[in-house]
Amino acid sequence: DQQVKQNSPSLSVQEGRISILNCDYTNSMFDYFLWYKKYPAEGPTFLISISSIKDKNEDGRFTVFLNKSAKHLSLHIVPSQPGDSAVYFCAASALYSGGGADGLTFGKGTHLIIQP
Amino acid sequence: ETGVTQSPTHLIKTRGQQVTLRCSSQSGHNTVSWYQQALGQGPQFIFQYYREEENGRGNFPPRFSGLQFPNYSSELNVNALELDDSALYLCASSQKPAGVTGELFFGEGSRLTVL
Repeated sequence: DQQVKQNSPSLSVQEGRISILNCDYTNSMFDYFLWYKKYPAEGPTFLISISSIKDKNEDGRFTVFLNKSAKHLSLHIVPSQPGDSAVYFCAASALYSGGGADGLTFGKGTHLIIQP
Repeated sequence: ETGVTQSPTHLIKTRGQQVTLRCSSQSGHNTVSWYQQALGQGPQFIFQYYREEENGRGNFPPRFSGLQFPNYSSELNVNALELDDSALYLCASSQKPAGVTGELFFGEGSRLTVL
């Protein structure tokens, strides 16, 4: 039973436009969310995170939005650049609920392709 | 600053064999966790070590075991290999246990193929 779902296996966006990657979760104990980016033959790289006390966190071109009532988060990349082409993983943790030692629960990932 | 390094990068084993994967954590990090990423899936948490003790474990059988050494490097051991163990094994380190911060720094992984 998947607790973190990324329902779009792939997404194609034109360079310069906005990329929106979506993630849904089912476990109401999750209170800390992260996005990781992965290039082929490399390990995942941390991108941005958000705790459940916030509904938005911004870092440069990357913004994560959290809708707790809908159990939904999204990653916005503006403007999209060719180097953003990668697989993006959404991950969640019950960090503040004492479940941090249970590790991160990842979605299956979304392959973002930025077209010139 | 040295990042997380893993060895070997690729290996092939047969069913029933045993395998040991190694990981050197990033400088200054005292917590190591291991994840299994099967093809087309996201990474799945195996276990976490903090100060040489396992302090968190995912839904993996006991034939998956690990060690953390005083220098914070780590090993993942898998006994009685099964075909479904074929996957990319990722090691991740952090400055504190995942109970304090969720951000992890991953290595490039060890690709295990079981025939």
